[in-house]
Amino acid sequence: GQNIDQPTEMTATEGAIVQINCTYQTSGFNGLFWYQQHAGEAPTFLSYNVLDGLEEKGRFSSFLSRSKGYSYLLLKELQMKDSASYLCAVIHNAGNNRKLIWGLGTSLAVNP
Amino acid sequence: DTEVTQTPKHLVMGMTNKKSLKCEQHMGHRAMYWYKQKAKKPPELMFVYSYEKLSINESVPSRFSPECPNSSLLNLHLHALQPEDSALYLCASSQEEPKVHGNTEAFFGQGTRLTVV
Repeated sequence: GQNIDQPTEMTATEGAIVQINCTYQTSGFNGLFWYQQHAGEAPTFLSYNVLDGLEEKGRFSSFLSRSKGYSYLLLKELQMKDSASYLCAVIHNAGNNRKLIWGLGTSLAVNP
Repeated sequence: DTEVTQTPKHLVMGMTNKKSLKCEQHMGHRAMYWYKQKAKKPPELMFVYSYEKLSINESVPSRFSPECPNSSLLNLHLHALQPEDSALYLCASSQEEPKVHGNTEAFFGQGTRLTVV
């Protein structure tokens, strides 16, 4: 089956760096997304990784290791507005279809 | 324009009502999705339309009926819903459905907060 694990909650301080991990088990991996979702709002795309390595986009970076089934989202210079849920989602091959499988999300609280 | 627009933003309906949720995008995306999201849970896929044809139905009860009148519009018709159907309903679109290639960055609308009474 398919399984995605990420921590339920994390807390960090404004200005700090935080790393949110995501591990996955899937028989047909074909890419991994990170989304940010503020309470009551729609998810917002942050990053996409399909090859091993680090993708950097401003204060946010995402890393993927396909052999380890592992990704992380790195948030630098944390701001209060970064308090949100961070969702890891994996594209999984299922026969002729590919599906997006979502993790349960990590709720990040940024404190002053 | 990287926007997916959903209407209404909020909807309260009785269990005998018939209502529709609407979703619109003008990015030329050929895949559109309906998701249901309960509080503190990830989005659950309901339907995928690809090139205006229903591609995936995740065993959704027939009281939810999707419709794709054209490539820019996606509707979700609701009839005889139950209180447990109360949730945030999210529409999303992406360039293609993830069959051809993996990168399917999906843009989400702001959602319709549905309450069934």
